[in-house]
Amino acid sequence: DAGVIQSPRHEVTEMGQEVTLRCKPISGHNSLFWYRQTMMRGLELLIYFNNNVPIDDSGMPEDRFSAKMPNASFSTLKIQPSEPRDSAVYFCASRPDRVTTDTQYFGPGTRLTVL
Amino acid sequence: SQQGEEDPQALSIQEGENATMNCSYKTSINNLQWYRQNSGRGLVHLILIRSNEREKHSGRLRVTLDTSKKSSSLLITASRAADTASYFCATASGTYKYIFGTGTRLKVLA
Repeated sequence: DAGVIQSPRHEVTEMGQEVTLRCKPISGHNSLFWYRQTMMRGLELLIYFNNNVPIDDSGMPEDRFSAKMPNASFSTLKIQPSEPRDSAVYFCASRPDRVTTDTQYFGPGTRLTVL
Repeated sequence: SQQGEEDPQALSIQEGENATMNCSYKTSINNLQWYRQNSGRGLVHLILIRSNEREKHSGRLRVTLDTSKKSSSLLITASRAADTASYFCATASGTYKYIFGTGTRLKVLA
């Protein structure tokens, strides 16, 4: 079991550029979460997908942020245009059927730095 | 403020000692979970305790939950240097809302 895979692990970009973060959930998991972690705000839920459908995107900070899940094995989080305050670690997590367990499995994260 | 607030923010102990960290929350929950995060890594699930449970054990971990006080504690017995990490509580209410606490940074000195 490879676990949740995220790419890239590190991203450094300049303000105004488009950034795309990628996530491959664990096979068979039907829920996917995107989180952002900063020192000031801790870990915040950005968006939640269930069976590839966005259920709650109320945590997405602005229209500059968008997320997609075109199939069960892939999701993207896009920031366009990026700003320095978007600098953070972005985590993707997946979860199997909630009847089975309420445990989330986190990826290693993408550390984003916007200059 | 965040739903879950851990206390203390940082803890430094000697190897072999026990480490206790606490979590307080504000609203009703379905369950409460504890996660560990090593530096530069993702969160790893440690243990889950349901709202109708008061205590749970897993290896060297002991978790208690007091829903009347809206608080939980995580005890790590006989700590090891490898336990050095940040520990977060996460409260679950509904089907997908997990609110993570601010974390306790534990340092175990060899």
